[in-house]
Amino acid sequence: GAVVSQHPSWVICKSGTSVKIECRSLDFQATTMFWYRQFPKQSLMLMATSNEGSKATYEQGVEKDKFLINHASLTLSTLTVTSAHPEDSSFYICSARLPYQETQYFGPGTRLLVL
Amino acid sequence: KQEVTQIPAALSVPEGENLVLNCSFTDSAIYNLQWFRQDPGKGLTSLLLIQSSQREQTSGRLNASLDKSSGRSTLYIAASQPGDSATYLCAVPPGPQAAGNKLTFGGGTRVLVKP
Repeated sequence: GAVVSQHPSWVICKSGTSVKIECRSLDFQATTMFWYRQFPKQSLMLMATSNEGSKATYEQGVEKDKFLINHASLTLSTLTVTSAHPEDSSFYICSARLPYQETQYFGPGTRLLVL
Repeated sequence: KQEVTQIPAALSVPEGENLVLNCSFTDSAIYNLQWFRQDPGKGLTSLLLIQSSQREQTSGRLNASLDKSSGRSTLYIAASQPGDSATYLCAVPPGPQAAGNKLTFGGGTRVLVKP
């Protein structure tokens, strides 16, 4: 089956630093990837849609200058949380969609803790 | 704007009992509906995808029904096992089109199956 990985799985950083999270489709090419954020005991909220070779589309209320998304290849999308603050602490999950299919395959998530 | 609700938020049952999880959505003009499973601190695993033209989908002990007119879907898990303990999420695209496969998630139902 389609496998999506994320790296790192856990990251702790100081307030004000930037953190990069990678999302990779291991055995398929994904023209579209999605980034979600999940706070404790809450559901997933879509942050942005990442399209290979073009700018990401951000959901309302998500700061594009704070959450930089780069989808440079068909197997890799990165999310950079710039100048992270404690309120950015969350579980970040990416997903990827096979071309011409509807099912999304989710990565294992990255837990970010900003001190 | 599509809103997805899941009731109950948490459910505890003895092993062997059947599970019934509910999902409701405000806009019945959906393209499809998906059910996911999320283990603590992990990503999502797709369980079932029901197209808008379908009434139900089955996979092993899992059966999902869809009633678009009433804006409801139900996930049935037969003969529950402790390994079924997880959070179950339903999700729909925001409208009658695939809309780039963006998903709106319900809040989830946390299930505990006691041995």
